[in-house]
Parts: sequence; C-alpha cells; structure tokens
Amino acid sequence: EPEVTQTPSHQVTQMGQEVILRCVPISNHLYFYWYRQILGQKVEFLVSFYNNEISEKSEIFDDQFSVERPDGSNFTLKIRSTKLEDSAMYFCASSEASSRTYEQYFGPGTRLTVT
Amino acid sequence: AQSVAQPEDQVNVAEGNPLTVKCTYSVSGNPYLFWYVQYPNRGLQFLLKYITGDNLVKGSYGFEAEFNKSQTSFHLKKPSALVSDSALYFCAVRDRGSQAGTALIFGKGTTLSVSS
Repeated sequence: EPEVTQTPSHQVTQMGQEVILRCVPISNHLYFYWYRQILGQKVEFLVSFYNNEISEKSEIFDDQFSVERPDGSNFTLKIRSTKLEDSAMYFCASSEASSRTYEQYFGPGTRLTVT
Repeated sequence: AQSVAQPEDQVNVAEGNPLTVKCTYSVSGNPYLFWYVQYPNRGLQFLLKYITGDNLVKGSYGFEAEFNKSQTSFHLKKPSALVSDSALYFCAVRDRGSQAGTALIFGKGTTLSVSS
C-alpha cells in the first residue's frame, strides 16, 4: 500500500538555524499538507499546497515558514530561523485532488528539536 | 469557527469489552467527520469517515462510528476491544462546503488503553 514518507525522523538544530523537512507524498496525490503537533497538544494545520502554490495557510505559518515542491516527488517545509517554540512533531499529508471523500494520508512525522 | 472536542484524555477498557471514544464537533455548515489512530512512532492512520448517508459508518480493524446530528457527535466504537487497539485516537472535522485542500481540524486526542 502506498505511503507518505518523511525524512529525517528526528532533527536537532540550534535556535536561529534553518531547517528543511522533507516529504514524499503518495505518487498520484496532488494536494499536500503540513501539520504540526507540539508535545501534549493538538495536531495543528500549517499549510496546504496544490498546483505549485499555497492553497491555504494558518496563522502559525508566518514568514519564517515556506513550502516547495522542488521536483516531481518531494514536498518540503523550510523554517528559516528556528525558535525554541518550533520544537514539535511535523507531519506531512497528501490527498487525491479529484476525491470528494477528502481523507488525508499522513506520514510518520519528523520530530524537530530546537535547542 | 470549526472545532472538535474529545472530552476524555484517556479511556481504559478490559480486553473483550466494548469501547467508546467520544467526539463532539462544531462547524458552521454540515460536517465531514474522520477518525484517525496514531500508534507509537507512527503517523496518523485513517480509520473511518462520515460523508453522507447511513449515520453508522464502519471502518478498519472492526471500528465503527455513529454520526448524531442533533448531538453534534461522532463517537468511535468497537464491540470487543483488543490489547492491540491501545493507541492515541484523533477525531477530525471539515466543513462540507470546503474545497478539497482545506485543513482538517483535529481534537486533542484520546489515549485508549486496553488491558488483558
């Protein structure tokens, strides 16, 4: 069964550094998403992406964040200057463009630790 | 604003007993409703959804959920719990009028612990 994959599984970085989290969505999916989950809190939506542009973004997704589809398979989340409060589990998800059922398929997550 | 409430942080049941994990929602229109499960060190796995039609929907691993519009609830149920069902369960909602790219709004999750 096709799966969403994410790398790395764990990323440790110092405050102020840039990080790039990588995702490979399911191959025939055209909508892509990033969510995050701070330890002990809800899963929160960050951004959705379709047809090489942002479809929707939350208040969390400020100018420090950016997303990109650099090639036909990868979908990346960049945090330009990490803060301590960016420490969280980051989940990538994808869904079919033509599906009206709207379920999203999630990757295993990248745990980001900012020190 | 859309929101999801899972009133229980943890549910404890004995193996073989029925289980219920509660979820209530608030949306401006009619909802699409989802349940996801998260096992340790794994991503969220889709369990089931309510889109339209029969209020009782069946999903993976013997789970089912009942949509109750008057109570704005979508409780997850299973007639006979297994120890392997122990995991973190998330309810999620999306407004029916939304486009395919719109975010899912998640509850805070409920930890299900099934004892042998």
